[in-house]
Amino acid sequence: DGGITQSPKYLFRKEGQNVTLSCEQNLNHDAMYWYRQDPGQGLRLIYYSQIVNDFQKGDIAEGYSVSREKKESFPLTVTSAQKNPTAFYLCASRQGGPEPQHFGDGTRLSIL
Amino acid sequence: QKEVEQDPGPLSVPEGAIVSLNCTYSNSAFQYFMWYRQYSRKGPELLMYTYSSGNKEDGRFTAQVDKSSKYISLFIRDSQPSDSATYLCAMEGGSYIPTFGRGTSLIVHP
Repeated sequence: DGGITQSPKYLFRKEGQNVTLSCEQNLNHDAMYWYRQDPGQGLRLIYYSQIVNDFQKGDIAEGYSVSREKKESFPLTVTSAQKNPTAFYLCASRQGGPEPQHFGDGTRLSIL
Repeated sequence: QKEVEQDPGPLSVPEGAIVSLNCTYSNSAFQYFMWYRQYSRKGPELLMYTYSSGNKEDGRFTAQVDKSSKYISLFIRDSQPSDSATYLCAMEGGSYIPTFGRGTSLIVHP
């Protein structure tokens, strides 16, 4: 079955630690996105990539980094510079243009 | 004013009721409109996608877009307890980066 796989489902971060969230898709989609979801705040865009080896900052990129070395993979690193990382992180992809996004099932990140 | 306004609810209805969920927006450049359903601890699932004014129906779901009023709606007929979830509207224009509403929490009680 085609889809988007996010791992791990739950992740805990210690103070000063960087953590990486995985996002893999087998839909052959060109574009991939990372969102942060906080209670009552909707989805906020962190980074997006429309093609391999290229990505752009979204609305809340500070404290995060990404890479896009392969079409099917778009990992997100939450760095120690992100002082409030506790949230639900969602990865999405789509073929391109105005096609709707499809989402993974998210990673919940908490601080130890 | 946010670009997309959506009442967070919760909206509580009895089983079998017709549910109306709504979003308003301010950006006249928005051309594409989506509704997603999100269960707790899951990712959003695409329900409806439309790019024109008027109605689009899929089973028990009807999406309605009124571009002149900058208002979109999702109607759910014969609502079921399994419809209990958060419903997110999303819309986009030429940038192809969607703007999401905050989501409306729906509770359908037996």
